[in-house]
Amino acid sequence: QLQLQQSGPGLVKPSETLSLTCTVSGGSISSNGLYWGWIRQPPGKGLEWIGSMYYSGSTYYNPSLKSRVTISLDSSKNQFSLKVRSVTAADTAVYYCARHIFDSSNLFDYWGEGMLVTVSS
Amino acid sequence: DIQMTQSPSSLSASVGDRVTITCRTSQNIKNYLNWYQQKPGKAPKLLISAASSLQSGVPSRFSGSGYGTDFTLTISSLQPEDFATYYCQQSYFTTSFTFGPGTQVDMK
Repeated sequence: QLQLQQSGPGLVKPSETLSLTCTVSGGSISSNGLYWGWIRQPPGKGLEWIGSMYYSGSTYYNPSLKSRVTISLDSSKNQFSLKVRSVTAADTAVYYCARHIFDSSNLFDYWGEGMLVTVSS
Repeated sequence: DIQMTQSPSSLSASVGDRVTITCRTSQNIKNYLNWYQQKPGKAPKLLISAASSLQSGVPSRFSGSGYGTDFTLTISSLQPEDFATYYCQQSYFTTSFTFGPGTQVDMK
């Protein structure tokens, strides 16, 4: 059974960089056809896709966040990571990592448990 | 950018009720539409892909339909564990995988 475990600080200061890691167990992040993505949800609001990455290095980012976001992948650790630069209070959200089946379905079928990241001084 | 709406934004229903949620998109996405269920404090769970394909393990009381710009999620007989928020997600435009604003289903 695939599992995604998230880690990282729950509090980030304004203007700093938010960094989260997702460790995958029960499967390889280097499997063909699988992307690995991040989605966030501000408190009480809906879901926003942040971006997704393939182990080969191919990445897709939400255009509204692209200038501040980097997703990277470490195959040796079976992990992928998210960095959001220059954060503000608007970046306060529950952040989810997820497996992204990047084909005609483009769905997110396995999710991490979510991590609340608060941006505050 | 594609715009997505869901209606209603919330509804109250009783166990055994038939519930229908609508998702509309501003552009034609054929059948590239997925549905998720989210319970408070939990990650979303994939229910339906490609507008009507039920995921493994999802009860058959859930069904999806639609094509183009209009889609529906139907729960044929609402069960206690179905009280949750439901989101649609378009998968046609790969520049951004947009989610709908959600429909909260709570107990009448």
